[in-house]
Amino acid sequence: GNSVTQMEGPVTLSEEAFLTINCTYTATGYPSLFWYVQYPGEGLQLLLKATKADDKGSNKGFEATYRKETTSFHLEKGSVQVSDSAVYFCALSENRDDKIIFGKGTRLHILP
Amino acid sequence: DTAVSQTPKYLVTQMGNDKSIKCEQNLGHDTMYWYKQDSKKFLKIMFSYNNKELIINETVPNRFSPKSPDKAHLNLHINSLELGDSAVYFCASSQLLSGTGGYEQYFGPGTRLTVT
Repeated sequence: GNSVTQMEGPVTLSEEAFLTINCTYTATGYPSLFWYVQYPGEGLQLLLKATKADDKGSNKGFEATYRKETTSFHLEKGSVQVSDSAVYFCALSENRDDKIIFGKGTRLHILP
Repeated sequence: DTAVSQTPKYLVTQMGNDKSIKCEQNLGHDTMYWYKQDSKKFLKIMFSYNNKELIINETVPNRFSPKSPDKAHLNLHINSLELGDSAVYFCASSQLLSGTGGYEQYFGPGTRLTVT
């Protein structure tokens, strides 16, 4: 079955550091890939998405590239801010299935 | 302007009680979901409805019963509440990404349920 694996947290970085959160997936077809972010006390928000191989999703300085050859969708940001502290979820969805598969989430702490 | 709304935001109740959580979306989506998020932030899908029809029913105790009066609403009723039901429950709705497949989900703010 389909699955998403993302790096265990928590990840703690200093402000302005470079961020990478790894995500790999297994899927039987050609899924769409997502990163969702959950700020403290809130619901999940879509951060970025990519719907086919080699697509790059980007938003708020975050980027992720859909790599079919390595089945990966790693999240990156060049310079993190304290306000980026949140839990980040990698997810996939296939077009014949109404279900989205989420990873277990990675908690990110940014220190001032 | 709220896309997906849930009520109540907080719910504190005693074991054995019956409670309901309501969800409404004004996005015109056909599919709605209920998720349970535990204290470790793990997100588990419980149910999914498409146009008022149940399409996903994961392994959930039958004390949990979803009800969809129309495609904009999906309510969750829980009977005989137990301590282990304490969690944050999220409602979501989704639309198919046109031309490419896959579903993009929009989440409500969550309902924090505490069973004492």
